[in-house]
Amino acid sequence: AQSVTQPDIHITVSEGASLELRCNYSYGATPYLFWYVQSPGQGLQLLLKYFSGDTLVQGIKGFEAEFKRSQSSFNLRKPSVHWSDAAEYFCAVGPSSSNDYKLSFGAGTTVTVRA
Amino acid sequence: DSGVTQTPKHLITATGQRVTLRCSPRSGDLSVYWYQQSLDQGLQFLIQYYNGEERAKGNILERFSAQQFPDLHSELNLSSLELGDSALYFCASSVAGDPHNEQFFGPGTRLTVL
Repeated sequence: AQSVTQPDIHITVSEGASLELRCNYSYGATPYLFWYVQSPGQGLQLLLKYFSGDTLVQGIKGFEAEFKRSQSSFNLRKPSVHWSDAAEYFCAVGPSSSNDYKLSFGAGTTVTVRA
Repeated sequence: DSGVTQTPKHLITATGQRVTLRCSPRSGDLSVYWYQQSLDQGLQFLIQYYNGEERAKGNILERFSAQQFPDLHSELNLSSLELGDSALYFCASSVAGDPHNEQFFGPGTRLTVL
C-alpha cells in the first residue's frame, strides 16, 4: 500500500533563510507526488506535483521539489522564506490504481517563520 | 478560492446525533472526494465518487455514508456521532478520467461533537 512519511513535525526558520521539508514515500510503481499547503483556517492548496519527466519540479510561491527515486524522496525547498510561508505542509502520493485517484497524505510539517 | 464550496462552515452537535455535510464541486468536475482531518489521525481519505457512483473507499466508518447527486454535488452523512468524530471534513473535486488532474479542496466543515 502507498504511504508517505514526513519526518519533521515542526520546523522553525528565519525569514529570508532557506527551507527544506522532507518527504519519503512508499509506493509499488511510479508514484504521483504532490505537495499541498494549508494556511491556518484554510483548505489545502496545491504547491506542485510530479508525475514523470524532469525530476526537479517548480511550483507556485517560489517552491520547488526534487524527486529522487533512489531515496524514495520528494523534498520541498524554497530558497528564501517569507513570513507568509508560515503554514502546514503536506506531502501526498497517489493514485493507487488507474481507477482510484485518492491521495495518501503524510502527517504534515508545521513551518514557523521568525522575524 | 478553489471553486469548491462546503456547507456549513461550522457544526456543533451532541453525541448520538446525525449531521449532513454538503459539497459542491468545481464546475465541470465529475469526481468528489471526502477527507477527514483530525489531530490524532491526520488527513485521511474517506470516500470518492465519480459521476454519481462510488469509486473508492478509504477509512470510512460504517456510521458514515455519502452520495453524489445527478447535479454532482455530494453529501456526507455522519450518524450516531461520537466525541472522536470531531474533526475538519474536507471535500475535494477533480475533473477525473486522468490521474494527472489536480484535486481542488474546499475550505472544510469543522464538526464539533459535544
